[in-house]
Amino acid sequence: AQTVTQSQPEMSVQEAETVTLSCTYDTSESDYYLFWYKQPPSRQMILVIRQEAYKQQNATENRFSVNFQKAAKSFSLKISDSQLGDAAMYFCAYRFGNEKLTFGTGTRLTIIP
Amino acid sequence: GAVVSQHPSRVICKSGTSVKIECRSLDFQATTMFWYRQFPKQSLMLMATSNEGSKATYEQGVEKDKFLINHASLTLSTLTVTSAHPEDSSFYICSARDPGQGLQPQHFGDGTRLSIL
Repeated sequence: AQTVTQSQPEMSVQEAETVTLSCTYDTSESDYYLFWYKQPPSRQMILVIRQEAYKQQNATENRFSVNFQKAAKSFSLKISDSQLGDAAMYFCAYRFGNEKLTFGTGTRLTIIP
Repeated sequence: GAVVSQHPSRVICKSGTSVKIECRSLDFQATTMFWYRQFPKQSLMLMATSNEGSKATYEQGVEKDKFLINHASLTLSTLTVTSAHPEDSSFYICSARDPGQGLQPQHFGDGTRLSIL
């Protein structure tokens, strides 16, 4: 079974600084999808960034980028120029084909003004 | 705008009541929808996969008779919590994926906060 591990229950970063959230996963598949979702206090699930495993190029969305290391099964999220609105729970997720999403346990990110 | 609509957003009811939660895909047809449960400060746990026109697939440990799922159309799935008790209080969230969009990720509803008194 696929598992997703987020080893940092909580992280904090100074406003305008950069922070990296860690995620590792376990799978025997070679082609799959990886996602980072943000869940603010409203509890709405917001897609931050996505990555296809067959693509070597790391995905980037404005201030958000990933470091995808397929061999190491690692998928970390880097947030640059952190803003107060970035404060939220961040969940790493894995999906194989059309199957269900498997979520990590989450990292609570606090932004220090 | 929202592509998955979930209703109601908040329910407070007495123990023993059955509660129905609706999940609608607004601008695409979803043959598959997913129902998650989230306890405070925890991750989303998949309860079941809702399949249009067929029986739902439940995750291990989820009571089928307690959490009834119906996916009668390509845009609507419902979760009914039958004879709800305080331990069923939780945040329930649905999601759906547009099957014609490849990498397209799952779109989530805004969730339903269920409180059983």
